[in-house]
Amino acid sequence: EPEVTQTPSHQVTQMGQEVILRCVPISNHLYFYWYRQILGQKVEFLVSFYNNEISEKSEIFDDQFSVERPDGSNFTLKIRSTKLEDSAMYFCASTIDGNQPQHFGDGTRLSIL
Amino acid sequence: QKEVEQDPGPLSVPEGAIVSLNCTYSNSAFQYFMWYRQYSRKGPELLMYTYSSGNKEDGRFTAQVDKSSKYISLFIRDSQPSDSATYLCAMSPSNTGNQFYFGTGTSLTVIP
Repeated sequence: EPEVTQTPSHQVTQMGQEVILRCVPISNHLYFYWYRQILGQKVEFLVSFYNNEISEKSEIFDDQFSVERPDGSNFTLKIRSTKLEDSAMYFCASTIDGNQPQHFGDGTRLSIL
Repeated sequence: QKEVEQDPGPLSVPEGAIVSLNCTYSNSAFQYFMWYRQYSRKGPELLMYTYSSGNKEDGRFTAQVDKSSKYISLFIRDSQPSDSATYLCAMSPSNTGNQFYFGTGTSLTVIP
C-alpha cells in the first residue's frame, strides 16, 4: 500500500539553526499538510498546501515557517531559526482530494538543544 | 473552548472485551469524522472515516456519530493485544481539504 515517507526520522539541531524536514507524499495525492505533536499533547495543524500554494495555516505557522514543493515528489517544511519550543514530532500528511481522509507519515522527531 | 475533547485514559481491558472510545466536540460545523490508531513512535493510521451522523462498521470496528449530541464513538469488539495503541479522533468541517482537529488520544492496553 502506498505510504507517506518522512526523513529524517530524528533531527537534532542547535537553537537558532535552520532545519528542513522532508516528506514524500503518496504519488497521486494533491493536498499536502504538516502537523506537529508536542510530547503528551494533541496533534496540531500547521499548514495545508494545494496547487502549489498555501491554502490554510494556523497561528503556529508564523514567519519562521515555510513550505515548499521543490519538485513533483517532495514536500518540505523549513523552520528558519529554531526555538526550544519547536521540539516536537512533525507529521506530514496527504490526500488525493478533499473528500478523502488524510494519510500520515511516521513523523520526524525534532529535538532543539 | 476546546474544539475536540477526548478522555486520555489510560484504558486497560482484558483480551476479548468490547472497548468503547469517545470524543465530544463543540463546533457544529464538523461534518467529517475520523478515527486514527497510533502506535508508539509511529504516525496516525486511519481506521474509520464517516460523514455526518450514523454508524459505520468495518470488521471488529464500529464508528458512531451523533451530531445532535456532538458525540462520536469507536467500538472495538473482541479486542486483541495488537489493538494496544493510542486512538485519536479527528474531525473536519468540510470536504475541501481543510485541516483536521484532533482529540488528545486515548491510550488503550489489551491484556492477554
